[in-house]
Amino acid sequence: GAGVSQSPRYKVAKRGQDVALRCDPISGHVSLFWYQQALGQGPEFLTYFQNEAQLDKSGLPSDRFFAERPEGSVSTLKIQRTQQEDSAVYLCASSDGRRYGYEQYFGPGTRLTVT
Amino acid sequence: KQEVTQIPAALSVPEGENLVLNCSFTDSAIYNLQWFRQDPGKGLTSLLLIQSSQREQTSGRLNASLDKSSGRSTLYIAASQPGDSATYLCAYKLSFGAGTTVTVRA
Repeated sequence: GAGVSQSPRYKVAKRGQDVALRCDPISGHVSLFWYQQALGQGPEFLTYFQNEAQLDKSGLPSDRFFAERPEGSVSTLKIQRTQQEDSAVYLCASSDGRRYGYEQYFGPGTRLTVT
Repeated sequence: KQEVTQIPAALSVPEGENLVLNCSFTDSAIYNLQWFRQDPGKGLTSLLLIQSSQREQTSGRLNASLDKSSGRSTLYIAASQPGDSATYLCAYKLSFGAGTTVTVRA
């Protein structure tokens, strides 16, 4: 595809439900990043993949958050037992460089609302 | 953790005025810095990437400078237009500022 795509664009979950958010990066991009953006704030880093390896998950807020990229392309961010504080926009970005500092291209985000 | 600060938080200017947006970070500037634009309800659009070895980068009406010694970057937008109204964010390493929300009045 031409850019990074994310699905679903909007997700409403009841507190306690599990959710799965998908990211399709730009074809051939080695690096993939997940961010969480609260209203009126800048994105906060969650986790980073280089190909299928999760090299940095220091930003995941709790063990309810889990991310995978099994074949080094599509990635899924899973949130178990959702809480109201998980309500945010989840952004995915990809880059053709390794590690940090290379130009990142962002998807449109998934807006998660936990009721 | 890397701290990235953007000042001002909001800016309103008449059409045609030049915009100056500031970004500061706490590090020795060994990484690249990227400026983004975000429209309401949308993802981030990359504007400029300044490599750590560069002092500035230009694209059309946009110019971004990088001062490693002071840990600052400045985004200049010349001759602003109403279509420039958006939130502008800078990112250094994996940290983002909270953004500057710009309104250009027609």
